[in-house]
Amino acid sequence: QVQLQESGPGLVKPSETLSLTCTVSGDSISSLYWSWFRQPAGKGLEWIGRIYNTGDTNYNPSLKSRVTMSIDTSKNQFSLNLYSVTAADTAVYYCARDPRGDHGSDYWGQGTLVTVSS
Amino acid sequence: DVVMTQSPHSLSVTLGQPASISCRSSESLVYSDGTIYLNWFHQRPGLSPRRLIYKVSNRDSGVPDRFSGSGSGTDFTLKISRVGAEDVGVYYCMQGTHWPRTFGQGTKVEIK
Repeated sequence: QVQLQESGPGLVKPSETLSLTCTVSGDSISSLYWSWFRQPAGKGLEWIGRIYNTGDTNYNPSLKSRVTMSIDTSKNQFSLNLYSVTAADTAVYYCARDPRGDHGSDYWGQGTLVTVSS
Repeated sequence: DVVMTQSPHSLSVTLGQPASISCRSSESLVYSDGTIYLNWFHQRPGLSPRRLIYKVSNRDSGVPDRFSGSGSGTDFTLKISRVGAEDVGVYYCMQGTHWPRTFGQGTKVEIK
């Protein structure tokens, strides 16, 4: 059973960095692509970007200047950093698995709410 | 970015009756390999999205066969043959053909 679990601070101050980690169990992080999404309260879903085990990444151009993703195969984890956050970055953040050749995301974490506020 | 437009915005359905949701893309979703990467997700209140359909018409593991996807080019449809109480929530289409991946605005399904 593949499971993903997001972790990180639930509160981040404006202009600081949002950092989240996704821990994967039931699958090797070395074999697939892994994505981040977010969803502001009461709104739709937004794709943030994805990372492969080589470290190759694809980012949403709307966030590209403020996003980095990394992967730690030894811990079966991947991470998201979003810099210079504002209130507009307040959302539930999800990590997900992207099966090879699928161009979608089949397993998702439960999500973690990150609030940007002073 | 490719704009995904869903209709209707909301749907009220009698239990056991069918439902249909439309999704249109602003560009063709045919990828260079000839495949169309169109996904459908269902999100219940307070829960993470669950993928139902990938590559237009392929059901994910464990998805009931009352869910079906169809379409081509820029027009796609998700059908529920008989709506159950567990089907309430918001349905999203998402294209995986072009960067960045983009979602429709969602269709809220409720029971009449």
